[in-house]
Amino acid sequence: NAGVTQTPKFQVLKTGQSMTLQCAQDMNHEYMSWYRQDPGMGLRLIHYSVGAGITDQGEVPNGYNVSRSTTEDFPLRLLSAAPSQTSVYFCASSYSIGSSYEQYFGPGTRLTVT
Amino acid sequence: DQQVKQNSPSLSVQEGRISILNCDYTNSMFDYFLWYKKYPAEGPTFLISISSIKDKNEDGRFTVFLNKSAKHLSLHIVPSQPGDSAVYFCAAEGTSYGKLTFGQGTILTVHP
Repeated sequence: NAGVTQTPKFQVLKTGQSMTLQCAQDMNHEYMSWYRQDPGMGLRLIHYSVGAGITDQGEVPNGYNVSRSTTEDFPLRLLSAAPSQTSVYFCASSYSIGSSYEQYFGPGTRLTVT
Repeated sequence: DQQVKQNSPSLSVQEGRISILNCDYTNSMFDYFLWYKKYPAEGPTFLISISSIKDKNEDGRFTVFLNKSAKHLSLHIVPSQPGDSAVYFCAAEGTSYGKLTFGQGTILTVHP
């Protein structure tokens, strides 16, 4: 199993550009989520999904869209990039929702918006 | 408002000694706590967890203690090894399953 994969590893965008961060998992996990990590802030939840076709907002959803058309994929879209979205983005998945299910994280995408 | 706080940005210990990482929380609705470990250029990996109905959970060299009255938890690593050098995040889960609230992280450096 590859686990949770994220592409790209690094990305530089100009303000106003759009892009999609890709996340895929091959563990047949129902629950997937996106976090951003900023210095001094820890990881903050952006959006999450409890299954194909179902998504919901986390703590910091503004400026981001998600969709979940398949169990395996959970892309994160930046509609109009802003410098405040410069961050490291992590995708995570778990077998199901609930504290007893370990969340597995991808290696991250480092995004810089100039 | 930071509901989960790790007030020590960094900790340095000698190999073989005990490492103690601390975490405080403010939300009394949190009922499950986790520690994650993160190496550079990698995603966090799960280390150990504890339910709010317990005050201690042990897994090999790692022990997590929970003091609910003080809203405080700590991670003890004994003995510390150079390979333990990483960023450690504590996280808490409350009424929304799967939605974790993370602390800022503590950089642990274990010197040979």
